[in-house]
Amino acid sequence: GIQVEQSPPDLILQEGANSTLRCNFSDSVNNLQWFHQNPWGQLINLFYIPSGTKQNGRLSATTVATERYSLLYISSSQTTDSGVYFCAVIGEDSSYKLIFGSGTRLLVRP
Amino acid sequence: DTAVSQTPKYLVTQMGNDKSIKCEQNLGHDTMYWYKQDSKKFLKIMFSYNNKELIINETVPNRFSPKSPDKAHLNLHINSLELGDSAVYFCASSQDRGQAAKNIQYFGAGTRLSVL
Repeated sequence: GIQVEQSPPDLILQEGANSTLRCNFSDSVNNLQWFHQNPWGQLINLFYIPSGTKQNGRLSATTVATERYSLLYISSSQTTDSGVYFCAVIGEDSSYKLIFGSGTRLLVRP
Repeated sequence: DTAVSQTPKYLVTQMGNDKSIKCEQNLGHDTMYWYKQDSKKFLKIMFSYNNKELIINETVPNRFSPKSPDKAHLNLHINSLELGDSAVYFCASSQDRGQAAKNIQYFGAGTRLSVL
């Protein structure tokens, strides 16, 4: 089945810094979503981005489907950005099965 | 109003007991899912129902049984609970847009199950 790898596994930032999180996937995908799991455990949708670029406030994401990777950019990080960021994909051979990466754990210090 | 709601939020129980987790979505979606998140935060799909029909049934013990009374509800019943069942269980839902792979999945807040 499709493999999803995220890097870095852990990231510590000072408030105000920028960061880039990466998601590599091993096969073609029809669906790619980025999620933020906050310290209370809630999984929050950030982007649905199987290809192209999207922006939402301080966050933006780019997926280059032909090269099988996606990037999540966080600018001017805030302490509330702390948590775990997950990339999840649905391969072309599976209509509903969302496969998650192992996540990037982000800590933003004040 | 919470879009995907799960109850209970916390569940602490003894080994061998039977328990249920309930999930309801008010988004009008026709597909619902159960995921398990282990202690290392790894998320894995368990089951999925589309219009009350089981469409994904991953390799999970048959002590786990999903039940979908209607397309807005998907409950998870677990028999004979074991220590290894301790995890956070997430319910999710999505709307089938005709191309199922383009479904955006929305998650509930999770149920933290602790088996003692």
